[in-house]
Amino acid sequence: SYVLTQPPSVSVAPGKTARITCGGNNIGSKSVHWYQQKPGQAPVLVIYYDSDRPSGIPERFSGSNSGNTATLTISRVEAGDEADYYCQVWDSSSDHKVFGGGTKLTVL
Amino acid sequence: EVQLVESGGGLVQPGGSLRLSCAASGFTFSSYWMSWVRQAPGKGLEWVANIKQDGSEKYYVDSVKGRFTISRDNAKNSLYLQMNSLRAEDTAVYYCARDGHGDYGPFDYWGQGTLVTVSS
Repeated sequence: SYVLTQPPSVSVAPGKTARITCGGNNIGSKSVHWYQQKPGQAPVLVIYYDSDRPSGIPERFSGSNSGNTATLTISRVEAGDEADYYCQVWDSSSDHKVFGGGTKLTVL
Repeated sequence: EVQLVESGGGLVQPGGSLRLSCAASGFTFSSYWMSWVRQAPGKGLEWVANIKQDGSEKYYVDSVKGRFTISRDNAKNSLYLQMNSLRAEDTAVYYCARDGHGDYGPFDYWGQGTLVTVSS
């Protein structure tokens, strides 16, 4: 089955840029979606189809996807961005949806 | 406003059964694939199953195949998950999610989740 690999944690100072990676075999050929989950809350879609933002998501959130790595970039990080972030794709070989293990973003 | 409200969670003994429900509103339920996603305590997200608009296609993660059944009632705008032969490792918050395209599309709306605890 298809595996997505995320770093367990990323730390960043307020106002700086955070980059969260999601690794997978030829992930650049797939559509990647990103979710933000704060403690005790349901996940929220923040980036879909690699780089599109749903309405209501700040422009500070952006995404890219190429080769074996997809990246969620959060510019001008704020304390409120502290959360767990998950990448997700569809594995066409199994018709299964797959999530990465998640990355905890800490704002220093 | 899109709303997804799960219910039916609770404490069940190993080997037991439980049926989860998800009431949908604010969109044309019959036009969308729907999914169940779960999250064990302190762990990450795991997709469990999804179902096509008319119920004609269903897919499951390997760990629940043969034990869980996803279904829907478009007349009632409701999604269900029948869970049988429950195991301790099925303990999790179960989320109902709108599964835009059923394949490469995202989960664009989520419910608040319902907790299932499998324990003796």
